[in-house]
Amino acid sequence: AQSVAQPEDQVNVAEGNPLTVKCTYSVSGNPYLFWYVQYPNRGLQFLLKYITGDNLVKGSYGFEAEFNKSQTSFHLKKPSALVSDSALYFCAVRDGGWGTLTFGKGTMLLVSP
Amino acid sequence: NAGVMQNPRHLVRRRGQEARLRCSPMKGHSHVYWYRQLPEEGLKFMVYLQKENIIDESGMPKERFSAEFPKEGPSILRIQQVVRGDSAAYFCASSPPGQSGTEAFFGQGTRLTVV
Repeated sequence: AQSVAQPEDQVNVAEGNPLTVKCTYSVSGNPYLFWYVQYPNRGLQFLLKYITGDNLVKGSYGFEAEFNKSQTSFHLKKPSALVSDSALYFCAVRDGGWGTLTFGKGTMLLVSP
Repeated sequence: NAGVMQNPRHLVRRRGQEARLRCSPMKGHSHVYWYRQLPEEGLKFMVYLQKENIIDESGMPKERFSAEFPKEGPSILRIQQVVRGDSAAYFCASSPPGQSGTEAFFGQGTRLTVV
């Protein structure tokens, strides 16, 4: 079975400061990891993914994520937060290249001016 | 290339009625996934379909819920005899065949309210 944990329900950060949204995962095989963002009353938008290769993955809107196999983590980061980054962020994992995604509960990111 | 299209965006049903949610995947995508989002619970997987086949329905409630993805036309998630607890946002996602590791693309969702 595969699972994802997002330990923080909410993350607050001031505009211009770096942000981190945490994610840990559990799979029996090779993890395929994803971050999605959801704005109010909208669907999920893909941000970035880790399949293989470099542990630091760069994605949309200046976001990046670091894959850490030993800690089974895939934290989302951004060097300088924007107010417009305020949204709900979901980490997801898939065991291997096919099949269903399992999502975390989501972390609400609030960036204050 | 239009994205994943879901309709209706909002659906209100009285208890006991049927709800039909439609999902047209992106062009060229033959894998469809349905998820349900309840407040404070994140997204829960319901069912994974390919054309004319249900691949994984481990997340579907045993009763009242069914899904199909016919050879022609959209995927349909059907909820019979709706109850208040079915009120949620239902999201459809699609992905292309033959590409390991590709991400799924999500629709805008259908927000079902049972009154």
